[in-house]
This record gives sequence, C-alpha cells and structure tokens, in this order.
Amino acid sequence: SAVISQKPSRDICQRGTSLTIQCQVDSQVTMMFWYRQQPGQSLTLIATANQGSEATYESGFVIDKFPISRPNLTFSTLTVSNMSPEDSSIYLCSARERASYNEQFFGPGTRLTVL
Amino acid sequence: KNEVEQSPQNLTAQEGEFITINCSYSVGISALHWLQQHPGGGIVSLFMLSSGKKKHGRLIATINIQEKHSSLHITASHPRDSAVYICAVKKAQKLVFGQGTRLTINP
Repeated sequence: SAVISQKPSRDICQRGTSLTIQCQVDSQVTMMFWYRQQPGQSLTLIATANQGSEATYESGFVIDKFPISRPNLTFSTLTVSNMSPEDSSIYLCSARERASYNEQFFGPGTRLTVL
Repeated sequence: KNEVEQSPQNLTAQEGEFITINCSYSVGISALHWLQQHPGGGIVSLFMLSSGKKKHGRLIATINIQEKHSSLHITASHPRDSAVYICAVKKAQKLVFGQGTRLTINP
C-alpha cells in the first residue's frame, strides 16, 4: 500500500493570500487526486493531477483558483489562491497506483483556516 | 437525491455495543470503500469491497450488489472507535462519497 504525507498539516492564513500544499507518496502512482472537505460536508473532488500535463478539474473548480503541479509520479502540489474565509476546509491528497485499480489511499489532510 | 446515502448521520452508543452503519447507492460501481476519519482530518481506508464480506479485527463489512447496499459493523465497540465513517463508491474512475456517519462511543 502507498503511504501519503502532506505538508503543512494545518495553517491559518489571511484573506487574499495563497497557500501551497505539498503531497508526497512513498511509491510511484499513476493517479493523484485533490479533494476538499468543507466543514460538516463530505469530500468533493477538486481535480485529478496529471503527471506532465495540466490537471483535470471538476465542475466548479478552476485552475486560476486551484493551480496544481505534478512534476513526477510521487509528488504533487495544490495552491489555494487569493483565499477567502469560504476556502476554510480540509484539503486531502489521494492516490491510486493504476487507473484500473480499485484501491485508493489518502493523506492525513491539511486543515486550512482563512481569517 | 445523493448517489450515496448513509444512515444514521449520527450515532451515540455505550462501550461494548454492537454498531451498524448502512450505506445505499444508486449507481453502478466497481468497488465500495469504507473509510474512517478522525478529528484531525486524516482518512484511513478500512475496507474495499466488490462482493461478499470482509473482516478485520472487530470490524466487518458486507455488500449486497443486487440490493446496492453495504453495512459496516463494529463488535465490542470502544471509545477509540469514535470517528466519522464514510462510505465511498468507485464510479468509473472517480470516488463518490456519502455524507458520513459520526460515531461516538461513550465509556
């Protein structure tokens, strides 16, 4: 199984600033995902991070607000740009070794509070 | 209507009780996951099911593909089982999540 780490684990940020969250997987994986969990809500997929190409964003999420990098098969970053209090959420990185595989692994999450 | 529905939303029980959390889904799936989320936010995968039943320690998960229903059981519950339990189904290449069940086990 893949072990996923995220940095930072939590942060408190000011409105209008940006935060970059890092996700590191201990093995090479084909698919990496970024999820958002707003307070009291379920997980929502932000985007699929594609290695060597632009991320695939879900409806309601745009690259200008959530730029994503995926330079290799073990690492990805998510930036939350121009933050507002509505961006206060837990952001989770997730990975699957192959697209066809069912097993999916999750990181410890980054708890973001925007003042 | 959500594609994945969990019940109950909240569950409080005494230590030692047998716990059942239910998950119903309305879409075709290739697998169903039971996940555990502790207050810090991190998610642990408990089970992945395509059919039948799986057991790990005091946890048992079952799935009925025909009825599109899964259950997670906890035997001899303990306060450390207190967490949010989330059902997620794999639909095509994506996971669709239930709203979660907040379980509190009192000593």
